Amino acid sequence: DTAVSQTPKYLVTQMGNDKSIKCEQNLGHDTMYWYKQDSKKFLKIMFSYNNKELIINETVPNRFSPKSPDKAHLNLHINSLELGDSAVYFCASSLAGGTYEQYFGPGTRLTVT
Amino acid sequence: GESVGLHLPTLSVQEGDNSIINCAYSNSASDYFIWYKQESGKGPQFIIDIRSNMDKRQGQRVTVLLNKTVKHLSLQIAATQPGDSAVYFCAENRKAGTASKLTFGTGTRLQVTL
Repeated sequence: DTAVSQTPKYLVTQMGNDKSIKCEQNLGHDTMYWYKQDSKKFLKIMFSYNNKELIINETVPNRFSPKSPDKAHLNLHINSLELGDSAVYFCASSLAGGTYEQYFGPGTRLTVT
Repeated sequence: GESVGLHLPTLSVQEGDNSIINCAYSNSASDYFIWYKQESGKGPQFIIDIRSNMDKRQGQRVTVLLNKTVKHLSLQIAATQPGDSAVYFCAENRKAGTASKLTFGTGTRLQVTL
């Protein structure tokens, strides 16, 4: 069974479009995250939700909007895509409390042309 | 500001030898550290963690050492195997409310030669 899953695995789209990436976890965790990994492999946190409540919101353009319909899902919607948005986006989840390991999904490679 | 960095971007090791991957951190308030392994095309995978009240923690073929005096973290892999080839990240964890905020280092690519 997949613990943290993301769809799609690959996403190729043109500048200006709007797209969404979906994430689901079946670990029973309360906290979920979105990370961006650039071409140099640098991983940086974008958002974190705990039980549908926004906890972490890093300096991310407001074109990025996370949505958590329930604690097992955290989707990422991106408006007006730009070339610089090309990256691999990872979803992760953890137990709540702030000192637990995070489990990562397989990633979504977004390419903006 | 805080930073978590690695000394060596690429480490080449012969199969069977031991590997040591180093990491420096600057936030002395950090109390929890994690090592992740990322294989090509996959997400980061948890390897081992250590809390700041410990100096050493061992897992299966892996050992993490924490030196708080010099703010240094290392990952030792015993008897390195081809399957260990990957990018390794150290991450510094701080609580952010009920979430854990991970700050990742730049990563070290481990190449295992036969």
